[in-house]
Amino acid sequence: QSALTQPASVSGSPGQSITISCTGTSSDVGGYNYVSWYQQHPGKAPKFMIYDVNKRPSGVSTRFSGSKSGNTASLTISGLQAEDEADYYCCSYVHGGTLVFGGGTKLTVL
Amino acid sequence: QLQLQESGPGLVKPSETLALTCIVSGGSISSYSFYWGWIRQPPGKGLEWIGSVHYSGSTYYTPSLKSRVTISADTSKNQLSLKLYSVTAADTALYFCAREDSSYYDNAFDIWGQGTVVTVSS
Repeated sequence: QSALTQPASVSGSPGQSITISCTGTSSDVGGYNYVSWYQQHPGKAPKFMIYDVNKRPSGVSTRFSGSKSGNTASLTISGLQAEDEADYYCCSYVHGGTLVFGGGTKLTVL
Repeated sequence: QLQLQESGPGLVKPSETLALTCIVSGGSISSYSFYWGWIRQPPGKGLEWIGSVHYSGSTYYTPSLKSRVTISADTSKNQLSLKLYSVTAADTALYFCAREDSSYYDNAFDIWGQGTVVTVSS
């Protein structure tokens, strides 16, 4: 199975909104509503941000939202803040019972 | 508060076996709804799911590593283990263990350990 495709980097100014895409196939992203997103700051463990495409775990800011269209999932961060600067990874269930991560996207807050 | 702590040798020689342990505290691994995963991150690169295990013994592995990996759960010690055989420099990475709670978050990792660095070198 191949890693899901994410842009290597995105950037935005404080207060703006950004969207990170995560493209897979009909065997993973497009076939199931099991897409999750993780935030990782340098030297830290990933933090769980979104599950089931668009659901937020308790404690995650409402500025983070997820969506999906066809084989592409997206993470949108609104009202960008300095502390949002981090790497972001998507993850999807794959037909047959496995999981696959995206290559990761580095978010820079200008 | 459930916590996960990975441990193991920081240095492994090429062709040998990498063996890591994930100690789970603050809760039991023997819950029907929990799966326990191993994920790795090579230096400067992205996350790679290695595989997951249920306390009953059911396992799932990523196809590219399936022939070289064994993940197991020891309910008596409340810990998980990862064994990766015939390692090469490409297996050098930060290795994480994490929990999947299928009662709330199917196929997603809600709690992570801090990770342990493994370097493969002679």
